[in-house]
Amino acid sequence: GAGVSQTPSNKVTEKGKYVELRCDPISGHTALYWYRQSLGQGPEFLIYFQGTGAADDSGLPNDRFFAVRPEGSVSTLKIQRTERGDSAVYLCASSLRGGGGQGPADTQYFGPGTRLTVL
Amino acid sequence: DAKTTQPNSMESNEEEPVHLPCNHSTISGTDYIHWYRQLPSQGPEYVIHGLTSNVNNRMASLAIAEDRKSSTLILHRATLRDAAVYYCILRDVNNAGNMLTFGGGTRLMVKP
Repeated sequence: GAGVSQTPSNKVTEKGKYVELRCDPISGHTALYWYRQSLGQGPEFLIYFQGTGAADDSGLPNDRFFAVRPEGSVSTLKIQRTERGDSAVYLCASSLRGGGGQGPADTQYFGPGTRLTVL
Repeated sequence: DAKTTQPNSMESNEEEPVHLPCNHSTISGTDYIHWYRQLPSQGPEYVIHGLTSNVNNRMASLAIAEDRKSSTLILHRATLRDAAVYYCILRDVNNAGNMLTFGGGTRLMVKP
């Protein structure tokens, strides 16, 4: 079946501009995660949705970052007034359910990411 | 979630077994040990996880020390396609958010 998809695959923007990154999770997955990966480092958690609500947004670096998931499926990560330090690969993942479970339904499936470059 | 320590990189020959170590000396009783890997230009993918007993699946085996302060991911016959960054991650069952805390991982290079 279809995996997690992310669009665009690459985004180049200028400092100060607004960008939106889209994530289409696996159909039926209730949990959705956004991570950010800087060059040479492991992914870093940003925000977690359970259904339509943001259950944990403790990883968002500042108030320029915001994410929505209005219908409990597709999610959009929005970055205002982009800065050069925002350049990274933004990864989205989904799992059938969220919470602290450790079974197959809790496995996170990642998309290929969106590479954001801020000039 | 507790911290893990992995070597920055390892090398292997194709078709030979690979043992990727991970230290997690501060692991708690409710931490599961998860392994993900990230192939070049792709998102991470789940490999295997366990709590106390050794685990096997079609991708790999996970050997967990008796005191649970270390573990080893075993690839039985490395292929060129196994060249990736391998992440050892601890996840607490009490972590309601289920988010993954990645470290730097081990970059595995496979020589033909």
